[in-house]
Amino acid sequence: GAVVSQHPSWVICKSGTSVKIECRSLDFQATTMFWYRQFPKQSLMLMATSNEGSKATYEQGVEKDKFLINHASLTLSTLTVTSAHPEDSSFYICSAGEPGQYEQYFGPGTRLTVT
Amino acid sequence: AQSVTQPDIHITVSEGASLELRCNYSYGATPYLFWYVQSPGQGLQLLLKYFSGDTLVQGIKGFEAEFKRSQSSFNLRKPSVHWSDAAEYFCAVGDYKLSFGAGTTVTVRA
Repeated sequence: GAVVSQHPSWVICKSGTSVKIECRSLDFQATTMFWYRQFPKQSLMLMATSNEGSKATYEQGVEKDKFLINHASLTLSTLTVTSAHPEDSSFYICSAGEPGQYEQYFGPGTRLTVT
Repeated sequence: AQSVTQPDIHITVSEGASLELRCNYSYGATPYLFWYVQSPGQGLQLLLKYFSGDTLVQGIKGFEAEFKRSQSSFNLRKPSVHWSDAAEYFCAVGDYKLSFGAGTTVTVRA
């Protein structure tokens, strides 16, 4: 089956620094990747849709300058949290879809803690 | 606009008993519906999906779901729950972007 990986699985950073999270589709090419944020005991909130070779589309209320998304290849999308603050601490999950398919395959998530 | 409602925040069930998780959706066309399971600190695993055809869908781990268009529902069922089924369950709808319900936490007691 289709596998999506994320790296790192958890990261702790200091307030004001930036952190990059990678999302890779391991055995298929993903023209579209999605980035979600999940607070404890809550549902997934879609942050942005990332299309290979073009700018990401952000959901309303998501700061595009704070959450930089790059989808440079058909197997890799990155989310960079810039100038992180404690309120950015969360569980970030990516998903990827194959061209023409509606099913999304989810990565294992990245736990970000900003101190 | 598409949306999903999972009315039950938390369900406790005895091991071996049956389980039903409710999901109601709002969608403008024929919906693509999904059920995912999430263990603590993990990503989401797809249990089953409905795109079209037979309204009773079989999934992994012994789960099934029934699509009822008249009730805008896609309830998840399992005849006999195992302790390993304790997790968070999410219903989702969408064809490109997914909208998730708030989730239902399932606790299994011995």
